[in-house]
Amino acid sequence: RKEVEQDPGPFNVPEGATVAFNCTYSNSASQSFFWYRQDCRKEPKLLMSVYSSGNEDGRFTAQLNRASQYISLLIRDSKLSDSATYLCVVNTGNQFYFGTGTSLTVIP
Amino acid sequence: GAGVSQTPSNKVTEKGKYVELRCDPISGHTALYWYRQSLGQGPEFLIYFQGTGAADDSGLPNDRFFAVRPEGSVSTLKIQRTERGDSAVYLCASSPSSVSTDTQYFGPGTRLTVL
Repeated sequence: RKEVEQDPGPFNVPEGATVAFNCTYSNSASQSFFWYRQDCRKEPKLLMSVYSSGNEDGRFTAQLNRASQYISLLIRDSKLSDSATYLCVVNTGNQFYFGTGTSLTVIP
Repeated sequence: GAGVSQTPSNKVTEKGKYVELRCDPISGHTALYWYRQSLGQGPEFLIYFQGTGAADDSGLPNDRFFAVRPEGSVSTLKIQRTERGDSAVYLCASSPSSVSTDTQYFGPGTRLTVL
């Protein structure tokens, strides 16, 4: 079983839409959680950390459910510039495990 | 300030050859990670350094892969007897410490193609 599972998409949404991505992880001992963004042929960059209490950064909201081992990312009022691959990342011990990524295309 | 840099940006080699990939982390970052990313996949952990020592090398796929960080800064990933299946983007990341909540800063990667 993979450490981190994500729906690869693609998600094609119109500008202004709200879109949600989900991710599950297999190890209950996992300690910290992140969403990274990766543009085509570029390196991953941190979008936001994910906390048990949930956290928000502008149009982006991340949630963590430790009981269900589930992480989500909500993007409101989608912009064309949000088009990218979103990677769910889980830290367990010394290792960071990445999901396969979810592809988002925002359409004018 | 300067981010993580990796050289070369692209490397084309023939099956069976030896390659070295270099990573220059952000100055002062003690933790350094190597990942491999294949098309359509997320980065896959290879090895983690804390200072000069490899704290976790469990992700290295076999003994053809080796990495060093002799002075606790620059790291080199070495691949012997390359195979076509080694073709991928090799990413390096650094973070200020080994605390699990620290942000990892990625370099642009080295795209390795084994013919």
